[in-house]
Amino acid sequence: SQELEQSPQSLIVQEGKNLTINCTSSKTLYGLYWYKQKYGEGLIFLMMLQKGGEEKSHEKITAKLDEKKQQSSLHITASQPSHAGIYLCGAPGNAGNMLTFGGGTRLMVKP
Amino acid sequence: DAGITQSPRHKVTETGTPVTLRCHQTENHRYMYWYRQDPGHGLRLIHYSYGVKDTDKGEVSDGYSVSRSKTEDFLLTLESATSSQTSVYFCATQTQGTEAFFGQGTRLTVV
Repeated sequence: SQELEQSPQSLIVQEGKNLTINCTSSKTLYGLYWYKQKYGEGLIFLMMLQKGGEEKSHEKITAKLDEKKQQSSLHITASQPSHAGIYLCGAPGNAGNMLTFGGGTRLMVKP
Repeated sequence: DAGITQSPRHKVTETGTPVTLRCHQTENHRYMYWYRQDPGHGLRLIHYSYGVKDTDKGEVSDGYSVSRSKTEDFLLTLESATSSQTSVYFCATQTQGTEAFFGQGTRLTVV
């Protein structure tokens, strides 16, 4: 089965600093989803990447998919307290829909 | 917001009792999933459904059963709850090729 490993597991940054979260797959990625979860709440969809080399941005968050490395990265520029939460990457399985998730990265942004 | 409702949102039950969690969607999505989220394990797939009466096991299906008699409802049953099933349970729905939408979660405590 496919496994996704996220790094770092937790991260504390000062407001205004940039940060990167990585998601590495044990198998070839056919696509990659990024979600954010606020503490005690459900998952909020951020971005979906479907092609090798694809890069998407939304506000101050940019995600890239590198199929050759079986890896995706999520970069936040000029972090804000509102960025705090748990970031999870998910990948579709061979059936195309069933998602496997990484362990999550817990982000804290200090004002 | 996608119309996904989980019920109950919180439940405390005793070891050995049966428990049923309900996921209701108004999006007419074909695929529905039940995940559990535990510290150190991220989100793990319990069971999923790819249509009415079509279900299959996920990564951690032991001790759980599901049913889907209507497109909009996906039920998760713990036949005889154990303390190891204390967790936060998330339902998700999805249509082909798009992101999955998540419910707000059900916090289950087995004492």
